[in-house]
Amino acid sequence: GDSVTQMEGPVTLSEEAFLTINCTYTATGYPSLFWYVQYPGEGLQLLLKATKADDKGSNKGFEATYRKETTSFHLEKGSVQVSDSAVYFCAWISYDKVIFGPGTSLSVIP
Amino acid sequence: DAGITQSPRYKITETGRQVTLMCHQTWSHSYMFWYRQDLGHGLRLIYYSAAADITDKGEVPDGYVVSRSKTENFPLTLESATRSQTSVYFCASSDTASGTRAYNEQFFGPGTRLTVL
Repeated sequence: GDSVTQMEGPVTLSEEAFLTINCTYTATGYPSLFWYVQYPGEGLQLLLKATKADDKGSNKGFEATYRKETTSFHLEKGSVQVSDSAVYFCAWISYDKVIFGPGTSLSVIP
Repeated sequence: DAGITQSPRYKITETGRQVTLMCHQTWSHSYMFWYRQDLGHGLRLIYYSAAADITDKGEVPDGYVVSRSKTENFPLTLESATRSQTSVYFCASSDTASGTRAYNEQFFGPGTRLTVL
């Protein structure tokens, strides 16, 4: 069935390390792709999005490119901070379907 | 307050009881959604609504009922709560001002933590 797969967590990195969180999907259609972030005890907040193939979304130093050929939307950041510690969700959303990935927990240590 | 709010934030109930979770948004967004969040499953869509009086099932609708008589409110009712419905429930809304695309950014509420004993 349709699904969004994210790399297993938890991920633990040292401050200023490079971050990659992989996201791949199997659903078919013409979706927009999103990365959401959830801080402890809070709801999800939009981090970035891409609305069509080859689009790059970026925000707060995070980037992700919508790769239709590899059905992927990997999240990257060149230098993580302690404040980036959170759970990150990849989402595939079309006009009639919403699929969230399971989330990847990130801990950044000083 | 502007935005999307959920009430209650925490709820403990017993098996078999009826529970209603409330969701209210002030943006007049057309679309509203209910999700549950469980460890290992991420977010799963329960129900969504494209407009007042229009609702549709998501991935896990069994045991839940929704209604949307007004654009700004989207209550979720557990008619007879079960332990498997212990979860964190999130409401979200999104705008379709850019046309027919329902897949604009979704704005999430703070969540309701429900425990069914």
